[in-house]
Amino acid sequence: EVQLVESGGGLVQPGGSLRLSCAASGFTFDNYWMSWVRQAPGKGLEWVANIQQDGSEKYYVNSVKGRFTVSRDNAKNSLYLQMNSLRVEDTAVYYCARCPRGSWFDPWGQGTLVTVSS
Amino acid sequence: QSALTQPASVSGSPGQSITISCTGTSSDVGSYNLVSWYQQHPGKAPKLMIYEDTKRPSGVSNRFSGSKSANTASLTISGLQAEDEADYYCCSYAGSSTYVFGTGTKVTVL
Repeated sequence: EVQLVESGGGLVQPGGSLRLSCAASGFTFDNYWMSWVRQAPGKGLEWVANIQQDGSEKYYVNSVKGRFTVSRDNAKNSLYLQMNSLRVEDTAVYYCARCPRGSWFDPWGQGTLVTVSS
Repeated sequence: QSALTQPASVSGSPGQSITISCTGTSSDVGSYNLVSWYQQHPGKAPKLMIYEDTKRPSGVSNRFSGSKSANTASLTISGLQAEDEADYYCCSYAGSSTYVFGTGTKVTVL
């Protein structure tokens, strides 16, 4: 069974940092693009970042460029999101998702909540 | 990277058909055959329902179908059932390995 499990969320003050992890299982991890998508409380989905199979290409939504870094460790079947200079508006549930052919998102993890507040 | 436009809510009675629209631009929806649709029940992760405009993943009911014309994609749910009550989001590839989601539509089964 294909499974994605996020961890690392929590409460952080504005300007702080947090590192999210996503453990993948049930598929050949290094065959796929991977993505992060977030959802602010009561709001819609927003694509955040994605990373190519070997980690050589990374792309971000404009609002997180220069603050967030996506990475992966194919030996550990893991995806990461390093979030620095966090803002109140970064508060959201963060989902990791597999991105077949770099074109859609399936499946999704259960999400991890990041709360940025003083 | 502006969000795609969806109606805030759509409703229908059991057994009826409903259609959710998703309007983008010639830079996203209109440029690529890469619109996908997601169903999200409260407190749950999104689930892929349609990919590449019209394709249905295995395991998704054939009551769900996708279509597209110019800059507007659509999701049709036929034979509406109580379990279809959820939020639905479209998503389009927007070039340069970036994506844009729709504003979301709440489907209510009357």
